[in-house]
Parts: sequence; C-alpha cells; structure tokens
Amino acid sequence: ILNVEQSPQSLHVQEGDSTNFTCSFPSSNFYALHWYRWETAKSPEALFVMTLNGDEKKKGRISATLNTKEGYSYLYIKGSQPEDSATYLCAFTAGNQGGKLIFGQGTELSVKP
Amino acid sequence: ETGVTQTPRHLVMGMTNKKSLKCEQHLGHNAMYWYKQSAKKPLELMFVYSLEERVENNSVPSRFSPECPNSSHLFLHLHTLQPEDSALYLCASSQGGWDGEQYFGPGTRLTVT
Repeated sequence: ILNVEQSPQSLHVQEGDSTNFTCSFPSSNFYALHWYRWETAKSPEALFVMTLNGDEKKKGRISATLNTKEGYSYLYIKGSQPEDSATYLCAFTAGNQGGKLIFGQGTELSVKP
Repeated sequence: ETGVTQTPRHLVMGMTNKKSLKCEQHLGHNAMYWYKQSAKKPLELMFVYSLEERVENNSVPSRFSPECPNSSHLFLHLHTLQPEDSALYLCASSQGGWDGEQYFGPGTRLTVT
C-alpha cells in the first residue's frame, strides 16, 4: 500500500509570515509529484508537477523542492497573504502503479490579516 | 473557471434511486478521471479514461458505473447506493501522461439517504 503523508495537518499563520509544509512519499519507483491548492468552494488547482530529483519550482511567492531519493517534497510560501488560505494537496505517482495519483490528506492553511 | 464543469453541484438521493453525474471538459484533453472525497479522507481515484477507453478501475463497487461517450464528456451512473457513498465526487481531465497537470471540476456533493 502506497502512502502519502502531509504535515502539518493544519497551520494558522499571520499575514506576512513565511511558512512551509512537507509531503512524504515512497522513494521507490518514483514517477512524479504534484502539488495542488484547493480553496473552499472551488476546484483544486495545479501548482506544480515535479519529476526530477533536486528540482525546484516557483510560482510567485510559492515554491517547491523535491528529493526523490529520500521521498519528500517541501512547499514554501513567502510572505503569506489571506488569499493563500486553502488546503494544499500533494499527490504521488509511482512508475509501477499505472501512473495513478495517490493523494495525501492535505495541509489546511489559514492566514489571518 | 478551470474549463471542467460538473452537474449537478448537489444531489440528494435515496438508496433505491438511479442518478447520473455529468462532467464536461472544454480543454481538448485526452484523459478524464473520477475522484471521490469522503469526509476526513484523501482524494481517492475511482476511474480513469484515456482516449475514451477505461484504463483504471480502482476497485470501485459495481453500483458506480462510468461512461465516456467521447473525449469531452464523462458520466458516473449511480444505482442502489449506500449512505457511506455520501461524498464529494470530483471530475478531472489532463493531456498526455501522468506527469501532466490535472484540471478539476467543482465537484458534486452527493448525499445518500
């Protein structure tokens, strides 16, 4: 059974704080790692798809790193804003699982003004 | 607006009813997916269609029956559901392989009474 673990489960920060979350996944048969942002009452929105060990991607104030050998990815948000409040999901694809995405439970971020 | 629409947005049905969920994507993608999210659980893949052929059936009970008449439309036919099937059902689409971003619809909130 493949498990994807995300920590923390929830996070409350003040506007302007920088924050980061962790996604842990099996290190064998790695194929791809996805990050999604899911705002309440909206659709999950893709942030990054990462495939290479050591990869680092950035979109505005949000960035992500990937370590496939040890099985983790970090998502960083610099200078959090209230509009960053959402649940952040990571999903792992193994090469021997037909490519299906296995999601973690998500990290729920709340940014107070 | 992600280019993936789902109807209805909310559905209440009895255990003896038959209903269908509809998903439509306007993105020209060649793969479509059904996911289920139960309370306090990660998103769980149910079915995958690639080029209108089912390529994944993730051990889903036969009371859920998918249909993909063309690359833009995906249905989930429901019959004799159980109360534990109450959940949020999300449709997604993507282009290319499993390292492609998935674009999600807003979901159908299903309640089985």
